[in-house]
Amino acid sequence: DTAVSQTPKYLVTQMGNDKSIKCEQNLGHDTMYWYKQDSKKFLKIMFSYNNKELIINETVPNRFSPKSPDKAHLNLHINSLELGDSAVYFCASGDRASILGANVLTFGAGSRLTVL
Amino acid sequence: QKEVEQDPGPLSVPEGAIVSLNCTYSNSAFQYFMWYRQYSRKGPELLMYTYSSGNKEDGRFTAQVDKSSKYISLFIRDSQPSDSATYLCAMTALQGGSEKLVFGKGTKLTVNP
Repeated sequence: DTAVSQTPKYLVTQMGNDKSIKCEQNLGHDTMYWYKQDSKKFLKIMFSYNNKELIINETVPNRFSPKSPDKAHLNLHINSLELGDSAVYFCASGDRASILGANVLTFGAGSRLTVL
Repeated sequence: QKEVEQDPGPLSVPEGAIVSLNCTYSNSAFQYFMWYRQYSRKGPELLMYTYSSGNKEDGRFTAQVDKSSKYISLFIRDSQPSDSATYLCAMTALQGGSEKLVFGKGTKLTVNP
């Protein structure tokens, strides 16, 4: 059973289209995230939700809209896609390591978005 | 200056070599330090985490944190071809009531048989 699953794995679309990526976690974590990884492998946080509430909203164009219907799901909708949106988008869920308190993330396999 | 600096490499070593991967950081509020490993076309997975300064060992892997120098390292002993991956350092700080997690850019490691 995949802990953090996201779909689709690959997405190729034209500029100007609207697309969605879905994410589900079965780990019972309260916190979920969307990260963007560009061609240079830099992993940058976009959004974070804790128990369906938005807690981190980095400087991301408002064409990107996250939605969390429940704490096990966090979807990402992107309007009016641009060439620069091409990247791998990772969903993650977080849990505090029981002793040390570090926020340990479990990542999905990624959704590779290519905008033509 | 970026909050977390990591040499992207690439780093290529022969099998059996000792590998040293490093990150420096500027924010003294960072308290938890982590290393993630990312295989090609996969998501990052947690390898090790440490709190504050000191060493932590797990099999062939040793994580080292020097808060006075704002420097963290990951050592891999007896490196194997299966260790070939991108290694990302990450660190967290509590700021403004919420947690901030910052990743380094990752170092791509290739271990040649």
